[in-house]
Amino acid sequence: EPEVTQTPSHQVTQMGQEVILRCVPISNHLYFYWYRQILGQKVEFLVSFYNNEISEKSEIFDDQFSVERPDGSNFTLKIRSTKLEDSAMYFCANRIGSAYQETQYFGPGTRLLVL
Amino acid sequence: AQSVAQPEDQVNVAEGNPLTVKCTYSVSGNPYLFWYVQYPNRGLQFLLKYITGDNLVKGSYGFEAEFNKSQTSFHLKKPSALVSDSALYFCAVRDQTGANNLFFGTGTRLTVIP
Repeated sequence: EPEVTQTPSHQVTQMGQEVILRCVPISNHLYFYWYRQILGQKVEFLVSFYNNEISEKSEIFDDQFSVERPDGSNFTLKIRSTKLEDSAMYFCANRIGSAYQETQYFGPGTRLLVL
Repeated sequence: AQSVAQPEDQVNVAEGNPLTVKCTYSVSGNPYLFWYVQYPNRGLQFLLKYITGDNLVKGSYGFEAEFNKSQTSFHLKKPSALVSDSALYFCAVRDQTGANNLFFGTGTRLTVIP
């Protein structure tokens, strides 16, 4: 299976602090997604990113969130001022395949704990 | 709007027995359906998908899923369960519009008993 990597694997932060979660996608694939999974709940879509622009975002993805591709390869999710309810597992995914045949491959996730 | 339902939070099965993890979906238009597995403290691993074609889809680790349009179901199956199959299983449907993000079910925890 194609490999998407994420760093860090775990992060603990204080409420109000900024966090940056990083994803290294599969080479040469331009469609990225961020999802989150609050403990014990289902995986929820946050945002999709294509060709260096946000293509779609959910209602969860408010002004505290941003995504970037700072160096042309890594893909980041920033939370500007974390809240307790941001504690979750955050997954990056990369879409591979032609339209209507594609598959999303997920990274191992970053577990974020906001205290 | 798209959605999936996994009616069972927990499924227990004895090792060597067949297993089924249920999923039903609701979409407008043709469904694009996926199964992912999540092992403890790990990410989501792709198992299989249905886009078009044969209703029986074969995937990784001996899993298969049967697409049933009349029942709007996409149940995951395996003829003989292994203890190592114990994990959390998620059914997902692809958004038909926009960026094609996935909508996930609530997950089913499969426990295979030795």
